Amino acid sequence: GENVEQHPSTLSVQEGDSAVIKCTYSDSASNYFPWYKQELGKRPQLIIDIRSNVGEKKDQRIAVTLNKTAKHFSLHITETQPEDSAVYFCAAFGGSYIPTFGRGTSLIVHP
Amino acid sequence: DTAVSQTPKYLVTQMGNDKSIKCEQNLGHDTMYWYKQDSKKFLKIMFSYNNKELIINETVPNRFSPKSPDKAHLNLHINSLELGDSAVYFCASSQGGTGANTEAFFGQGTRLTVV
Repeated sequence: GENVEQHPSTLSVQEGDSAVIKCTYSDSASNYFPWYKQELGKRPQLIIDIRSNVGEKKDQRIAVTLNKTAKHFSLHITETQPEDSAVYFCAAFGGSYIPTFGRGTSLIVHP
Repeated sequence: DTAVSQTPKYLVTQMGNDKSIKCEQNLGHDTMYWYKQDSKKFLKIMFSYNNKELIINETVPNRFSPKSPDKAHLNLHINSLELGDSAVYFCASSQGGTGANTEAFFGQGTRLTVV
């Protein structure tokens, strides 16, 4: 089955800095890679996603890159704000019906 | 309208009891899931159902049994609850399938506390 590794587990930045979270996956059949944000006590919610036929996608301050050859994808957040503080999860959908999640990154943005 | 709803939101119960968590989605999705989120925030897949059929059952004790009466519902029954079952349980759904994978929508979670 799919295995998703996510790093770092904790990321602390100053407001205005950039944050980068990296994930690797194992199943070459995976073709859909969403990123979720989970605020304290809330449900995970999609913030951006990318499909395997695209190398990069951007939505305002958030961007995701995908390297299919190396089987890794990354989330980039620019000009971080305190409200970006949350746990972020990457996930990979492979040749099955199962989205496999990384272990999460706790992002802390200091004002 | 809530896309994925699960009840109850909080559940406190004693060891040895049997309890159920209900989940319903109104998105017309074919696939539903149950995830367990422990204190370290790891989202671990427990079950996945596609069109009412079990697709995957990870290494979950057989005290946990999913029930899918129809495509829109996936309930979770837990027998003989143990302290280690305390966690947040999330139901989710997606329009899954190879080549057609889409966003998974999550319910609000059920915080289960076993005392």
